[in-house]
Amino acid sequence: GNSVTQMEGPVTLSEEAFLTINCTYTATGYPSLFWYVQYPGEGLQLLLKATKADDKGSNKGFEATYRKETTSFHLEKGSVQVSDSAVYFCALSGAAGNKLTFGGGTRVLVKP
Amino acid sequence: GAGVSQSPRYKVAKRGQDVALRCDPISGHVSLFWYQQALGQGPEFLTYFQNEAQLDKSGLPSDRFFAERPEGSVSTLKIQRTQQEDSAVYLCASSPRLITEAFFGQGTRLTVV
Repeated sequence: GNSVTQMEGPVTLSEEAFLTINCTYTATGYPSLFWYVQYPGEGLQLLLKATKADDKGSNKGFEATYRKETTSFHLEKGSVQVSDSAVYFCALSGAAGNKLTFGGGTRVLVKP
Repeated sequence: GAGVSQSPRYKVAKRGQDVALRCDPISGHVSLFWYQQALGQGPEFLTYFQNEAQLDKSGLPSDRFFAERPEGSVSTLKIQRTQQEDSAVYLCASSPRLITEAFFGQGTRLTVV
């Protein structure tokens, strides 16, 4: 079956530091890949997505590239802000598009 | 409202009690999904509706869990005879069609004592 593995947190950074959260997946076929973010007290929000190999998703300064050869979708941001403190979830969706498989989440804390 | 609304936001139930969790999807959204998120973990799929039809209930952990969406809009997730391992945040999401276009509600945090 499908599965997603992401690095465990918490990840603590200073403002303006570079952020990387690793994500690898196992899936049959050609899944779509996603990063969701959960800010304190809020619901899950889609951050970015990529639907095929070598696609790059980007939003709010975050980027992730769909690497089929390494089955990875690592999230990066060049300069984090305190407002980026949240829990980040990597996820995949199969071809049917009716089910998301999530990783365990990575808590990120950015200090001023 | 503009988003997916879930109620109650918090529920404390005594072990053995039945609970009902409500989800009001975005108006016009055909698809509705329920997920369970245990503390410190990622959400796990429970069930999926397209209009009033429950097309996939493979994630429901036991026959104590039951979901319905009788008129293709509001959905209720019912848990009978709650147990401590049912303690989690229950998330509802709705979309025009696919989960990939879905908006999530803030969830209902269930604590079974």
